[in-house]
Amino acid sequence: GEDVEQSLFLSVREGDSSVINCTYTDSSSTYLYWYKQEPGAGLQLLTYIFSNMDMKQDQRLTVLLNKKDKHLSLRIADTQTGDSAIYFCAESGNTPLVFGKGTRLSVIA
Amino acid sequence: EAGVVQSPRYKIIEKKQPVAFWCNPISGHNTLYWYLQNLGQGPELLIRYENEEAVDDSQLPKDRFSAERLKGVDSTLKIQPAELGDSAVYLCASAGGAVDDTQYFGPGTRLTVL
Repeated sequence: GEDVEQSLFLSVREGDSSVINCTYTDSSSTYLYWYKQEPGAGLQLLTYIFSNMDMKQDQRLTVLLNKKDKHLSLRIADTQTGDSAIYFCAESGNTPLVFGKGTRLSVIA
Repeated sequence: EAGVVQSPRYKIIEKKQPVAFWCNPISGHNTLYWYLQNLGQGPELLIRYENEEAVDDSQLPKDRFSAERLKGVDSTLKIQPAELGDSAVYLCASAGGAVDDTQYFGPGTRLTVL
């Protein structure tokens, strides 16, 4: 079946940029999403990108998509302690939404 | 506008007991999803509804799990009987069927089976 891979952990200092990476296998992916999950909460949609785009910027968030390599990244500028959470990459195409296992971002003050 | 509402938020039961979870999607959203999220994992789809029709239930363990969305709005997911391995977070999401089909998630129900 389709697969989405993410690194499990990332630790950054407050004020630095964070880059969370994701690779996927479904070449028919239409949309790719980034969700944020704080402890005890559901998934909060952060941003998404259509597969015919290669970049999308939304305030402190920048999404880069390399469709050839099936690589998606999320850059968070000026990372704050409130950004500490688990970040999930997900893709949708011919199959239902497929999630990665999530990257736990820890922000050190 | 209210988001996806789920209840209860937490449930503790003994194994072999039944349990039910309720979801109210965002108003006007025709598509409703139930996901299972195990600890340290991403959500995995259990069932998807388009209005009142279950269009994808291939991942639902039908021997003990059932779901319904009788009027195409609220939905209930039931487990009977519950097993220890069912301890997880059960997430509901809805989508409005727009071009991007973005899913919006509720806070989830954390089930603990003792």
